[in-house]
Amino acid sequence: GQNIDQPTEMTATEGAIVQINCTYQTSGFNGLFWYQQHAGEAPTFLSYNVLDGLEEKGRFSSFLSRSKGYSYLLLKELQMKDSASYLCAAMDSNYQLIWGAGTKLIIKP
Amino acid sequence: GAVVSQHPSRVICKSGTSVKIECRSLDFQATTMFWYRQFPKQSLMLMATSNEGSKATYEQGVEKDKFLINHASLTLSTLTVTSAHPEDSSFYICSATRLELSYNEQFFGPGTRLTVL
Repeated sequence: GQNIDQPTEMTATEGAIVQINCTYQTSGFNGLFWYQQHAGEAPTFLSYNVLDGLEEKGRFSSFLSRSKGYSYLLLKELQMKDSASYLCAAMDSNYQLIWGAGTKLIIKP
Repeated sequence: GAVVSQHPSRVICKSGTSVKIECRSLDFQATTMFWYRQFPKQSLMLMATSNEGSKATYEQGVEKDKFLINHASLTLSTLTVTSAHPEDSSFYICSATRLELSYNEQFFGPGTRLTVL
């Protein structure tokens, strides 16, 4: 079957770095997405990886290893506004997104 | 940009009534629109996928007669929750993909919070 695993909750300190891991199993693969979702709001796009390696975008970076079925989202210089849920989603061979349950990130001062 | 709007943002209705939710892509033509439901502290659950001019494809376990989807144009899809019950109370989110993008990024609407009394 198709499956996405990511931690349920993580806590980090303001100004620090945090890495949110995601492993996936899908029928075919057409890329890995990370979305940020604040409570009560819709998800917003953060990143897309389809090739192995690290993609850096400001304070956020995303990494993909297709052979390992593994991705991570790296958040640097954490700010209080980064407190949110981070959703990992893999796109299968039918271009359908398979969603993880999300990782709730709590930032402490 | 790629803006998707949803209307209404919040709706409260009585049990047994029907509620229509609109999803519009404001500045692009959407090849496909998706309807999701999200319960508190849970991830998005895909309900159905719709393409303009054709019948929606519903996910397993989603009643197509209860959740009516109409995709009348490349910029508008509607979800009608018929004979709503309290267990239908949820956050409903639509998303759309753009014709021009090769990697099918989904652009999300702001969501509609439905409360059925």
